[in-house]
Amino acid sequence: DQQVKQNSPSLSVQEGRISILNCDYTNSMFDYFLWYKKYPAEGPTFLISISSIKDKNEDGRFTVFLNKSAKHLSLHIVPSQPGDSAVYFCAASGGGGADGLTFGKGTHLIIQP
Amino acid sequence: NAGVTQTPKFQVLKTGQSMTLQCAQDMNHEYMSWYRQDPGMGLRLIHYSVGAGITDQGEVPNGYNVSRSTTEDFPLRLLSAAPSQTSVYFCASTKSRVGETQYFGPGTRLLVL
Repeated sequence: DQQVKQNSPSLSVQEGRISILNCDYTNSMFDYFLWYKKYPAEGPTFLISISSIKDKNEDGRFTVFLNKSAKHLSLHIVPSQPGDSAVYFCAASGGGGADGLTFGKGTHLIIQP
Repeated sequence: NAGVTQTPKFQVLKTGQSMTLQCAQDMNHEYMSWYRQDPGMGLRLIHYSVGAGITDQGEVPNGYNVSRSTTEDFPLRLLSAAPSQTSVYFCASTKSRVGETQYFGPGTRLLVL
């Protein structure tokens, strides 16, 4: 059973507009959430994170929102740029299982000119 | 400072062969882990280590062994390769607490025939 879900396999956004990537989780033990960006043939690179004691974290063009009651988080990218085209993974930790990160399946973000 | 390095970048094996995927980090991180990524899937945790001499199983450990004799190195061994182990393998490290930013290597693409 997937504990971290990214229900949109792909998302197309026009350059300059806002990109919103969504992630849902089921494990109430998760207390730390991260977003990773991945280009083809490269390892994932850390983008932004949020602790469960916060509901928002901002870093430049990237903002992550956490709604604990809904078990939902989202990544906002404003404004979207061509270099943002990549696969974005939502990840979580703190669950009752093994240590390490639990990843969603990823969302392929395509920024169109 | 090279970060996390992985060798080889690409490997082809025959069913039943064994091999070791190498991973090294030069950031003096205590925590290291191995993930595999399959098409349409997120990354799944294979094994992890919270320090030299300490290892534990992740979500998908079967068919893999690890050891952690030094802080820097965390090799992953395939004892008897199977086609189901065809995947891209990522090694990651982090400074301390599980869930904090993990730094990923560039990956090893493995094909088992």
